[in-house]
Amino acid sequence: SQTIHQWPATLVQPVGSPLSLECTVEGTSNPNLYWYRQAAGRGLQLLFYSVGIGQISSEVPQNLSASRPQDRQFILSSKKLLLSDSGFYLCAWSTWDEQFFGPGTRLTVL
Amino acid sequence: ELKVEQNPLFLSMQEGKNYTIYCNYSTTSDRLYWYRQDPGKSLESLFVLLSNGAVKQEGRLMASLDTKARLSTLHITAAVHDLSATYFCAVESRKDTGGADGLTFGKGTHLIIQP
Repeated sequence: SQTIHQWPATLVQPVGSPLSLECTVEGTSNPNLYWYRQAAGRGLQLLFYSVGIGQISSEVPQNLSASRPQDRQFILSSKKLLLSDSGFYLCAWSTWDEQFFGPGTRLTVL
Repeated sequence: ELKVEQNPLFLSMQEGKNYTIYCNYSTTSDRLYWYRQDPGKSLESLFVLLSNGAVKQEGRLMASLDTKARLSTLHITAAVHDLSATYFCAVESRKDTGGADGLTFGKGTHLIIQP
């Protein structure tokens, strides 16, 4: 069966510090991968999606970037965090007719 | 731009009662998803509705899809306290890339079921 991992589970970072969140998927190959953010007042929002290694599409302009260095690894990064980057970050992967979410990373920027 | 509207956004009900959550979306879509989220947790997949007239049921929850009306419903029958959670509907945003299809979410319905 397929499993999706995210780490860290929680993170508290100062404004201006860098960020790296990791997502890995097991039990499938060549998945479509996604990063979503759930933030107060902004709901659940698609940030990035990827159809393969090195292929990243961004849905909204922001202070974040994403990379996919391996088939089942998806990384979310920032060079300098803003207060508005706080939120619950969810990685997801999809089959033809379902989309599954990882456990999430709760990020607080102070 | 695809928009997804859920109502109500907040619902408090008693155990044993029935109720329906509505999800409207603005453009044609092939798929509609329902998720459950418990406080502090990720999203749990409940249903995927793939075609007009689709109906799926799991326990006390039943979801349906009317693509012509661009409407999905999540019906709760004889509610129990364990169903207290936030429920999201989401619609797939079809891309012309032939690849990934991200989801556009409603704002969620915060459901409290009181004993």
